[in-house]
Amino acid sequence: GNSVTQMEGPVTLSEEAFLTINCTYTATGYPSLFWYVQYPGEGLQLLLKATKADDKGSNKGFEATYRKETTSFHLEKGSVQVSDSAVYFCALVGSGNTPLVFGKGTRLSVIA
Amino acid sequence: NAGVTQTPKFQVLKTGQSMTLQCAQDMNHNSMYWYRQDPGMGLRLIYYSASEGTTDKGEVPNGYNVSRLNKREFSLRLESAAPSQTSVYFCASRPGQAGNTIYFGEGSWLTVV
Repeated sequence: GNSVTQMEGPVTLSEEAFLTINCTYTATGYPSLFWYVQYPGEGLQLLLKATKADDKGSNKGFEATYRKETTSFHLEKGSVQVSDSAVYFCALVGSGNTPLVFGKGTRLSVIA
Repeated sequence: NAGVTQTPKFQVLKTGQSMTLQCAQDMNHNSMYWYRQDPGMGLRLIYYSASEGTTDKGEVPNGYNVSRLNKREFSLRLESAAPSQTSVYFCASRPGQAGNTIYFGEGSWLTVV
């Protein structure tokens, strides 16, 4: 079945550092890929998505590129802020009307 | 535009008690989902409803039942709560096509003592 593996946290960075959170997936066909963010005490919000190979999703300075050859969708940001502290989830949905499958989440803490 | 609304936000139950978590969406979405979130486990799918009138088991359905009451509402019932069901529960909805964004409610914190 479909699955997502993302790097385990927690990740602690200083403000303005470069962020990479690795995500790889296993899926049949051509899945769509997502990054969701969860701030403390809140639900999940869509951060960015990509629906086909080589697509780059971007939002709020975050980027991720759909790499079919390496089955990856790594999240990057060039300069993190304290306000980026949250839990980040990589997810995929397979072809057809199938549920979203999540990775286990990576907690990011950014210190000033 | 309320999006996905779930109630209650917080609940404490005694072992063996029953309760229903309510979820409603006002986006005319076809598909609805219930997930639970536990530390270190990410989100795990309990049940989902691909369309009105259908429900299917997810990864962790044991101890739960669901009802897709109409297109808007999808409830999750715990018939006899157990401490292992202490978790944060999220309802979500999606238009129904692959690649469409899934929208989440704000979560329901359930503690079973």
